[in-house]
Amino acid sequence: DIVMTQSPLSLPVTPGEPASISCRSSQSLLHSNGDNSLHWYLQKPGQSPQLLIYLGYNRASGVPDRVSGSGSGTDFTLKFSRVEAEDVGVYYCMQTLQTPYSFGQGTKLEIK
Amino acid sequence: QVQLVESGGGLVEPGGSLRLSCAASGFSFSDYYMNWFRQAPGKGLEWVSYIGNRVINIHYADSVKGRFTISRDNVENSLYLQMNSLRPEDTAVYYCARGRYCSDISCYTGAEYFQYWGLGSLVTVSS
Repeated sequence: DIVMTQSPLSLPVTPGEPASISCRSSQSLLHSNGDNSLHWYLQKPGQSPQLLIYLGYNRASGVPDRVSGSGSGTDFTLKFSRVEAEDVGVYYCMQTLQTPYSFGQGTKLEIK
Repeated sequence: QVQLVESGGGLVEPGGSLRLSCAASGFSFSDYYMNWFRQAPGKGLEWVSYIGNRVINIHYADSVKGRFTISRDNVENSLYLQMNSLRPEDTAVYYCARGRYCSDISCYTGAEYFQYWGLGSLVTVSS
């Protein structure tokens, strides 16, 4: 099974400042078609998860361009050029290269 | 617009059974894989199971294999999760999510990702 490891697990950020979350997988997430099978989700308090980034770097509909995904193979990063109050929540990376699909532990972003 | 609405959750004793439903609307249900996820109180997300558009393809997490059964009704546009031999550790909010596109003509063969999720249904296993 593929193990996903996120860091940090807690991320206090001052509004307007940049921030990043790291996600590492126990094996390469490179799909046979060349895409990375790595996606990022945000779960706001009391809500269902929402897709932010898919296939490593593609923004989902409605995601602002100050949020970006990068990385390949086993190392991935979710970056915020500047954090805003609406970004508060728990961020999860997820791999869908093979079953069982697996998530990172989650990173809780909070505003200082 | 795409809508997924789970139902059927509730309180059940250990060893008991429960059947969750997920009513889909706003898209051609029979052309998509469907998945179940869960989230224990205060914990992270866990993938549970998926089913292909024509039922042929089914996978389960080891934690539920042999106890849970995923199924679908492409006429009723509904997804189901039959949960038997429930344990306290199965206590969670269960979400359904739309997976990859796969029609009779073509299938997306890349990595699956989940743009649409339901609001969830709480299952509590306790005596």
